[in-house]
Amino acid sequence: AQTVTQSQPEMSVQEAETVTLSCTYDTSESNYYLFWYKQPPSRQMILVIRQEAYKQQNATENRFSVNFQKAAKSFSLKISDSQLGDTAMYFCAFMRNQGAQKLVFGQGTRLTINP
Amino acid sequence: EAGVTQSPTHLIKTRGQQATLRCSPISGHTSVYWYQQALGLGLQFLLWYDEGEERNRGNFPPRFSGRQFPNYSSELNVNALELEDSALYLCASSFYRLGPTDTQYFGPGTRLTVL
Repeated sequence: AQTVTQSQPEMSVQEAETVTLSCTYDTSESNYYLFWYKQPPSRQMILVIRQEAYKQQNATENRFSVNFQKAAKSFSLKISDSQLGDTAMYFCAFMRNQGAQKLVFGQGTRLTINP
Repeated sequence: EAGVTQSPTHLIKTRGQQATLRCSPISGHTSVYWYQQALGLGLQFLLWYDEGEERNRGNFPPRFSGRQFPNYSSELNVNALELEDSALYLCASSFYRLGPTDTQYFGPGTRLTVL
């Protein structure tokens, strides 16, 4: 079974700073997908970024980028020039390439951006 | 484009009753997923429906059931409610035929409280 671990329950940074959220996972699969979702206080889960394991290039979406280290089974999220609207719970998630179609989530990191 | 919608927003029931939660996927999406977000337990996969069929089920008792209608909307039924069923229930949808790992997009959730 796959597991996802987020070792930072809470983080807090000042607006405009850069912050990195950590995620490690355990799997015996070679093809899989990794995701970062954010859940603001409104509860709506929003996709931040997605990474295919077969791609060596790290995914980037505007201020959000990942550092994907397949051998180390690490998938960290970097938020540059953080904004107040980035305040949310961030969840790292894993999905196998075939079969189950279920997302396996980490426990989440509560990120607060301070003015 | 309208996102995933869920109803009701909040639902209060007493132990032993039945709860019905509803989800409408993004237009064109054929797959619906249900997740439970309970305090202290994180996000856990409940059910996956595609083209009207149950395709996968998480580690939940049979009193959690559901169905998918011809218009791809879905219902989650929880029978014989227990206090520990209190949670946020999230629905997600994807267009499975695009490929098994098409991104799942989430609705705002239904907060179920069991008294």
